[in-house]
Amino acid sequence: SAVISQKPSRDICQRGTSLTIQCQVDSQVTMMFWYRQQPGQSLTLIATANQGSEATYESGFVIDKFPISRPNLTFSTLTVSNMSPEDSSIYLCSARSSTVYGYTFGSGTRLTVV
Amino acid sequence: DAKTTQPPSMDCAEGRAANLPCNHSTISGNEYVYWYRQIHSQGPQYIIHGLKNNETNEMASLIITEDRKSSTLILPHATLRDTAVYYCIVRVAGWDSNYQLIWGAGTKLIIKP
Repeated sequence: SAVISQKPSRDICQRGTSLTIQCQVDSQVTMMFWYRQQPGQSLTLIATANQGSEATYESGFVIDKFPISRPNLTFSTLTVSNMSPEDSSIYLCSARSSTVYGYTFGSGTRLTVV
Repeated sequence: DAKTTQPPSMDCAEGRAANLPCNHSTISGNEYVYWYRQIHSQGPQYIIHGLKNNETNEMASLIITEDRKSSTLILPHATLRDTAVYYCIVRVAGWDSNYQLIWGAGTKLIIKP
């Protein structure tokens, strides 16, 4: 299955600033996703990153707060904008290949906003 | 997609078989059962999936009841490294379907020496 490199692995940021998280897959994949996992909680889907078009956001998540890019079939970025302490969380990139049933995940970005 | 119900936590002795149950009473005929696990500070890892037949791979076995309303993930010889949160997810497979996975709370499995 695909291997995902996600960076940074962790960061501590000041409130009001923005952080861009990068997700690189070692092979072309059909679908890429961004999740948030708050401390002690399960995964919540933020959006589906669509190649060549605007991302599809889930209820409660908006493009102005979480702009996403996907310029090609192996790369995506998620930006957490105008951060507040409530944005402190783990952010996970995921990908699905057309050749396998499973979804692969990056190791996550642990974000702390102070 | 159908919802799943799992016990919040379980213990298992090292070397014994860990049996993790999952209820999915509203599962549809075209929905697969997927199992993932998340070891602390890592991204989720795919374990196994099945439709109605029992499945086995190098990591685990998946037993699905005949009515498909429940399933059990079996780790045959649990080790300390199997301590993780285990998620049971039901999901339609197919390239024309919505690709989302809906994550429940999972079962926190603790393997004890």
